[in-house]
Amino acid sequence: QVQLVQSGAEVKKPGASVKVSCKASGYTFTSYYMHWVRQAPGQGLEWMGIINPSGGSTSYAQKFQGRVTMTRDTSTSTVYMELSSLRSEDTAVYYCARDRVLLSQIRIAVPYYWGQGTLVTVSS
Amino acid sequence: QSVLTQPPSVSAAPGQKVTISCSGSSSNIGNNYVSWYQQLPGTAPKLLIYENNKRPSGIPDRFSGSKSGTSATLGITGLQTGDEADYYCGTWDSSLSAGRVFGGGTKLTVL
Repeated sequence: QVQLVQSGAEVKKPGASVKVSCKASGYTFTSYYMHWVRQAPGQGLEWMGIINPSGGSTSYAQKFQGRVTMTRDTSTSTVYMELSSLRSEDTAVYYCARDRVLLSQIRIAVPYYWGQGTLVTVSS
Repeated sequence: QSVLTQPPSVSAAPGQKVTISCSGSSSNIGNNYVSWYQQLPGTAPKLLIYENNKRPSGIPDRFSGSKSGTSATLGITGLQTGDEADYYCGTWDSSLSAGRVFGGGTKLTVL
């Protein structure tokens, strides 16, 4: 069965960076997009971007351009999301989510299988 | 402020039907598929509807989706107390800041 296991909670100071990992199993890693979505406490879902694990190409939400980097390691079936220049407003649960179908147009890509989430707390 | 507009809350009694609306524009809902998610407290979202009206395997037919123009609707019939959750619509936005967008979420209370 599809499983996405994320790294543990992090506490960071403003201005620092955080790197969250998401290890996939139960399917062909390079055949499905992986999304990153975050959710601030008591708030809604916010899409951060998407990575194609096959070639490593990415597409980021404009809000995070220049601050977010998504990468993958095909040898370990793991994707990473690094967010830099952290501020208090970045305190949130960060989710990785595998797409529903085999690689296709990004505009029809839909997050389907979700990781358990990683709480990132930014505080001085 | 979300690109897609949902009512903050809806409520209905067990066994009844409820609908949740999601309003957008031609750059998002008007020209792209809509999906819907259920999020129970403390858990990750769960996909209920994709491509406007399709249900993933395992989702009961009590849940339905529809789209008309720049708006979409999630319908839930035969409400159960276990349906009490937050519901989010989502779609692709093809504007200059292209990307996937979500509604602000709707809290469903089953009275």
